[in-house]
Amino acid sequence: DADVTQTPRNRITKTGKRIMLECSQTKGHDRMYWYRQDPGLGLRLIYYSFDVKDINKGEISDGYSVSRQAQAKFSLSLESAIPNQTALYFCATSGRQGPADTQYFGPGTRLTVL
Amino acid sequence: AQSVTQPDIHITVSEGASLELRCNYSYGATPYLFWYVQSPGQGLQLLLKYFSGDTLVQGIKGFEAEFKRSQSSFNLRKPSVHWSDAAEYFCAVGRNAGNNRKLIWGLGTSLAVNP
Repeated sequence: DADVTQTPRNRITKTGKRIMLECSQTKGHDRMYWYRQDPGLGLRLIYYSFDVKDINKGEISDGYSVSRQAQAKFSLSLESAIPNQTALYFCATSGRQGPADTQYFGPGTRLTVL
Repeated sequence: AQSVTQPDIHITVSEGASLELRCNYSYGATPYLFWYVQSPGQGLQLLLKYFSGDTLVQGIKGFEAEFKRSQSSFNLRKPSVHWSDAAEYFCAVGRNAGNNRKLIWGLGTSLAVNP
């Protein structure tokens, strides 16, 4: 079984709808991240969490919110989806080996907002 | 501010040819350096990383990278490319001190392999 799983893998929704993307991990890591990937823009960090009570905004958090329900679960919500949030979303985890640990990625969720 | 530059947006090589993907970083101290690969429709997979020690790092799938402090570079190499190496490659830099424990990502290099 995969160490980092994301659900759903694909989602098509309409403008204004609330969407939740879920991430679960079995690696026992404390740190979890949400990124979005757009063609030509690389990976951009949306939110990150270093433990259940520590949640931080990344470089593009506007329009998004997160919930860290447990060490193993980190959800990303779009309260009112808009078309420019159409992207590939990745969850990642890392351990505590140092300030910049190896990150392990999920398979991604492709979100389309019509 | 820290930054990562991958000068080549797209590279095409022939199968069996050698490969070098460039990565330059801007950082005031010794960085942590990573190369990741993203195959079509997949998530990102770690190829290799440099934290300290030997500046020539071996990774998975026959890849290696060399950290050159004087050039602020961490170029990825492979002596003989296989068709399955066609993918997007990302270089990333992390801080080794302080409270900023995020990675800074390059924009990626897309590799195509001709048969």
